[in-house]
Amino acid sequence: EDQVTQSPEALRLQEGESSSLNCSYTVSGLRGLFWYRQDPGKGPEFLFTLYSAGEEKEKERLKATLTKKESFLHITAPKPEDSATYLCAVQAEGGGSQGNLIFGKGTKLSVKP
Amino acid sequence: NAGVMQNPRHLVRRRGQEARLRCSPMKGHSHVYWYRQLPEEGLKFMVYLQKENIIDESGMPKERFSAEFPKEGPSILRIQQVVRGDSAAYFCASRLAGTNEQFFGPGTRLTVL
Repeated sequence: EDQVTQSPEALRLQEGESSSLNCSYTVSGLRGLFWYRQDPGKGPEFLFTLYSAGEEKEKERLKATLTKKESFLHITAPKPEDSATYLCAVQAEGGGSQGNLIFGKGTKLSVKP
Repeated sequence: NAGVMQNPRHLVRRRGQEARLRCSPMKGHSHVYWYRQLPEEGLKFMVYLQKENIIDESGMPKERFSAEFPKEGPSILRIQQVVRGDSAAYFCASRLAGTNEQFFGPGTRLTVL
């Protein structure tokens, strides 16, 4: 069964304290791995798509990396405005998949000033 | 370019009533997905539609739930005879043909009394 596991469930950082969020996945064939940011009461906001092992994407203080079994979201020198829940999702290949995303439960990040 | 629109943002229904949730995709997007987010749970895929066609409804409960995406107008997720367990946030996402990224709306938060 395709599944996504994110860790930790919650992470508290001081402003400027860099860290990483983990997303482990098992899928029959990976079409793509996606990172989203979700603020309370809002919909997920698209951040990155990764397609193959070794690929990296960057946006401001965020960098996403991908291996054959997991993805990391690295946050460098975070600011309080980076506080949110970060969601990881995979899209499986194969005839049974129509592009729907399989989500992890997310990592809730809090950055204190 | 407006993002994905959903309405209403909040909906309160009594047990046994019907709920209708509407989603207008981003301009030019012809692929629509519906997801449900239960408290303390991750986003779960429900249904995938293209204009006038249901492509994949493998995540939809067998009874009381239906979805449509007519040639003109928004996509509709309909829940008949709502029960308390239907209380959740319902998100719509749209995708441009030929791409993999899904963009989410702000969600409709359904409360069943």
